[in-house]
Amino acid sequence: KNEVEQSPQNLTAQEGEFITINCSYSVGISALHWLQQHPGGGIVSLFMLSSGKKKHGRLIATINIQEKHSSLHITASHPRDSAVYICAVEDRGKLIFGQGTTLQVKP
Amino acid sequence: NAGVMQNPRHLVRRRGQEARLRCSPMKGHSHVYWYRQLPEEGLKFMVYLQKENIIDESGMPKERFSAEFPKEGPSILRIQQVVRGDSAAYFCASSGEGDLTTEAFFGQGTRLTVV
Repeated sequence: KNEVEQSPQNLTAQEGEFITINCSYSVGISALHWLQQHPGGGIVSLFMLSSGKKKHGRLIATINIQEKHSSLHITASHPRDSAVYICAVEDRGKLIFGQGTTLQVKP
Repeated sequence: NAGVMQNPRHLVRRRGQEARLRCSPMKGHSHVYWYRQLPEEGLKFMVYLQKENIIDESGMPKERFSAEFPKEGPSILRIQQVVRGDSAAYFCASSGEGDLTTEAFFGQGTRLTVV
């Protein structure tokens, strides 16, 4: 079993829909990161969380430390949100990554 | 303040050649992490370095791979005698402290193709 599990692996949505991507982890962590990767592109950090909730524009990230679970929400989704979203947990500085969720938002 | 800079962006090597990937961390950052993304797979940790020190190389293949972060200049990931299975995207990240207490800063990656 992977130390970081994401669901779903693939997600197709219509423009405007509310999207949720889930991440569960099994190791002790100091922080959890949500990252975005476009095809052939670099990796962009969206959030770093150690507790609670953060909001950035249409993106919201939450974490429940006791349950070892985090969610990334996208409100009013747009085709430009199409990308791979990666959950990563931080263990003594290094990151352990989930497999990623490939999101496609159709107009 | 330039971000994490990696070069080259794309690198093609024939089997048996050497590949040298460079990573210049963000200004003021002294910790560098290398990650590898094999085709159709997730990112995997390779090595964590501070200036002139390897802190954690638990993700590095035992043979042909080495990494350094000298006092001056970029961090280098070196792959000797490359094989087709080394074809991947290699990403570098940097931080100012050992724990990523702020967001992670990644370079654009080097895409290595072994032919």
